[in-house]
Amino acid sequence: DTGVSQNPRHKITKRGQNVTFRCDPISEHNRLYWYRQTLGQGPEFLTYFQNEAQLEKSRLLSDRFSAERPKGSFSTLEIQRTEQGDSAMYLCASSPNTGTLNTEAFFGQGTRLTVV
Amino acid sequence: AQSVTQLDSQVPVFEEAPVELRCNYSSSVSVYLFWYVQYPNQGLQLLLKYLSGSTLVESINGFEAEFNKSQTSFHLRKPSVHISDTAEYFCATGFQKLVFGTGTRLLVSP
Repeated sequence: DTGVSQNPRHKITKRGQNVTFRCDPISEHNRLYWYRQTLGQGPEFLTYFQNEAQLEKSRLLSDRFSAERPKGSFSTLEIQRTEQGDSAMYLCASSPNTGTLNTEAFFGQGTRLTVV
Repeated sequence: AQSVTQLDSQVPVFEEAPVELRCNYSSSVSVYLFWYVQYPNQGLQLLLKYLSGSTLVESINGFEAEFNKSQTSFHLRKPSVHISDTAEYFCATGFQKLVFGTGTRLLVSP
């Protein structure tokens, strides 16, 4: 499978615990994005990387959230001290770098987080 | 700031009927527009995109969308829907990152 891979697919955690999600983008895609999708809403941008550099972070990404892409390949999204409001689908996407134009983003199936 | 508005949260249609899913955009810069589809328990898939050139863009499964600058719209249409088209459809705009609408659930019944 050469698509975007996200693990785990589902995560249930207790409030206050830390969780980490992983995203493996399509090989050779320079850009990697994280989005969050809650029920009845469209995906909301969280952050994106150009290779290993984190170029933009949304205001939605509070201090409890951190994302890394250490070698410019896979990425991790960590949420510390989870809250019930963090329950959502976390989507990862990757795209080839064509100048500065996002011509197409390929999405993974997402990680569904439930905070109880 | 760029944004898109999808006015219909849900559109029920009968199989083989035509359908239009509405999307209006707001942008102060060059416009790039996308339609993504999300089938149950699956990730988002690009359906079609407008970057430049012809204002009418088509997908491989019979959908089309027309970029209308005067009406700031990018409505998605299909002349005859199938049961398998039942899904959530998202309009999006963006340059380096995507800004999505709230989605329209297309429900196709026999």
